[in-house]
Amino acid sequence: DAGVTQSPTHLIKTRGQQVTLRCSPKSGHDTVSWYQQALGQGPQFIFQYYEEEERQRGNFPDRFSGHQFPNYSSELNVNALLLGDSALYLCASSVTGGNEKLFFGSGTQLSVL
Amino acid sequence: LAKTTQPISMDSYEGQEVNITCSHNNIATNDYITWYQQFPSQGPRFIIQGYKTKVTNEVASLFIPADRKSSTLSLPRVSLSDTAVYYCLVGDSRGNGGSQGNLIFGKGTKLSVKP
Repeated sequence: DAGVTQSPTHLIKTRGQQVTLRCSPKSGHDTVSWYQQALGQGPQFIFQYYEEEERQRGNFPDRFSGHQFPNYSSELNVNALLLGDSALYLCASSVTGGNEKLFFGSGTQLSVL
Repeated sequence: LAKTTQPISMDSYEGQEVNITCSHNNIATNDYITWYQQFPSQGPRFIIQGYKTKVTNEVASLFIPADRKSSTLSLPRVSLSDTAVYYCLVGDSRGNGGSQGNLIFGKGTKLSVKP
């Protein structure tokens, strides 16, 4: 049983570019949440998707958008990249209606030059 | 949303018991307390979760006093591989799916285990 998988593992972009990160949730999970983790900080909540809709959103600008597909996988899109967007982007899956146990992927390390 | 306060760092030696205390003074009635462990360049990993009193699993124990304003993660006989950052979170209870994922991670406690 595969856990949460994210792709790519590493990515290098330049300022102003756009990036798409992908996440496949753990089998049986229907909810996907995205987090941004800067070096030395805890993960910061970006948004959460359930039933193909954004259900909750953290304090991130509209440059950050997402999508959830019918198979529960998800994408995170970031437009007009800034140097400050360099971080580890984590995807976590869970079961709505279950307890607050999140299963995280290993993340995508994004570097913006 | 309830915020948590933990020590920034702790040092220990192999074989010792480590206790990390977390304060969550404004925890809500429906909130559960969950601890995660994170190694460098990896996503956090669930360790243990509790609501009140004591919870024990194969990895750790979680002690929660009656007022639930704090909790203590206990790691028995730590090894070098327990060196990691440990996060304490509080979040809404099972059944309230609207809160899932919107858990506030602080900076966590960086545990260093020495030989």
